[in-house]
Amino acid sequence: EDKVVQSPLSLVVHEGDTVTLNCSYEVTNFRSLLWYKQEKKAPTFLFMLTSSGIEKKSGRLSSILDKKELFSILNITATQTGDSAVYLCAVEAAAGNKLTFGGGTRVLVKP
Amino acid sequence: GAGVSQSPSNKVTEKGKDVELRCDPISGHTALYWYRQSLGQGLEFLIYFQGNSAPDKSGLPSDRFSAERTGGSVSTLTIQRTQQEDSAVYLCASSLRVPGLAGTVYNEQFFGPGTRLTVL
Repeated sequence: EDKVVQSPLSLVVHEGDTVTLNCSYEVTNFRSLLWYKQEKKAPTFLFMLTSSGIEKKSGRLSSILDKKELFSILNITATQTGDSAVYLCAVEAAAGNKLTFGGGTRVLVKP
Repeated sequence: GAGVSQSPSNKVTEKGKDVELRCDPISGHTALYWYRQSLGQGLEFLIYFQGNSAPDKSGLPSDRFSAERTGGSVSTLTIQRTQQEDSAVYLCASSLRVPGLAGTVYNEQFFGPGTRLTVL
């Protein structure tokens, strides 16, 4: 059974801090790993990672995948209160196209 | 519309009643997914439609749950004889299968705002 584990479960930081979120996975026939940000209801897409060692960046967010050690990290630098959300990691296996989600990391950025 | 839409946004029902949840995917997206998210939990896959292929129903929790997708576009998720444990946010997502390197197809899913179902 495919499995995705995220850590920490939650964290509280102050504006300007850097956060690192972890996602480890076990999946048969890995295809891609995706990060989403969920503030209220709809998760919004952040990154899709398919290859090891290639960092993806979008503004203050960046992410990298390690397919040998089966994990990914999501970094947020110079955090702002608007970064407060639940960050979800999901993995897609080649067999079928469903996403298996981790439980999420709840980030709270205080002013 | 520009994104995935779902209706209703909120639904309160009594235990034992049937409910129907609707999803309008992004125009042109061939794949459609239903997930549910219980309070404080991650997303749980329910069912997946891809074009005219038979749907992947492997995530449906019981035979009270069913879904259909008419004309390859709009989808309806039906829950019969609702139970209190069915209370959750039901999220729909759609995707356009995109060819990648060496013919591999990658899958970016766009989510709708969800329907919050409360079973009393």
